Amino acid sequence: KQEVTQIPAALSVPEGENLVLNCSFTDSAIYNLQWFRQDPGKGLTSLLLIQSSQREQTSGRLNASLDKSSGRSTLYIAASQPGDSATYLCAVRENDMRFGAGTRLTVKP
Amino acid sequence: DVKVTQSSRYLVKRTGEKVFLECVQDMDHENMFWYRQDPGLGLRLIYFSYDVKMKEKGDIPEGYSVSREKKERFSLILESASTNQTSMYLCASSSATSGSYEQYFGPGTRLTVT
Repeated sequence: KQEVTQIPAALSVPEGENLVLNCSFTDSAIYNLQWFRQDPGKGLTSLLLIQSSQREQTSGRLNASLDKSSGRSTLYIAASQPGDSATYLCAVRENDMRFGAGTRLTVKP
Repeated sequence: DVKVTQSSRYLVKRTGEKVFLECVQDMDHENMFWYRQDPGLGLRLIYFSYDVKMKEKGDIPEGYSVSREKKERFSLILESASTNQTSMYLCASSSATSGSYEQYFGPGTRLTVT
């Protein structure tokens, strides 16, 4: 059964830092990997989707990479801002989606 | 932009009541999903549907049923609500025809069963 792990569980950084969030999965036979942002008490907002044939995707200050063979993905956030504070979840799709527990990010002014 | 809406943001029900949670998407997506999210357990799939009148069980279907009579609407039904069904319920949809299967989520319904 696919297991998705996110490390660290929580991260606190000063404003302006570049940071990396990690996601690992146990079965490399995935269809795609998706990164989400979740604000407290809200739904999930899709940030980036990487298909299994792709290595990375970029959107603004966000860059996500995928290494299927090693079962890893990273989300890179450049020049972090207090507005980036949220929980970030990754999910991999096989027949259905499997979610990690998330990384709770706090960016301090 | 894809829009997924859920009928209520907050809901309080009594034990034993029948509860309906409704989800509507406006992008003609074939696939729709119901998840629940609990602290320490993450998101867990309850039911999903790949087409009208079609449903498949997810990881935790016990105590729930679903209905999909129209393509844009997917309802989650708690036949007899129990306190252990207190949770955040999230609906999502995705397109099969586009090939991306990117999931789009609604704002969630916080259900409290007393």
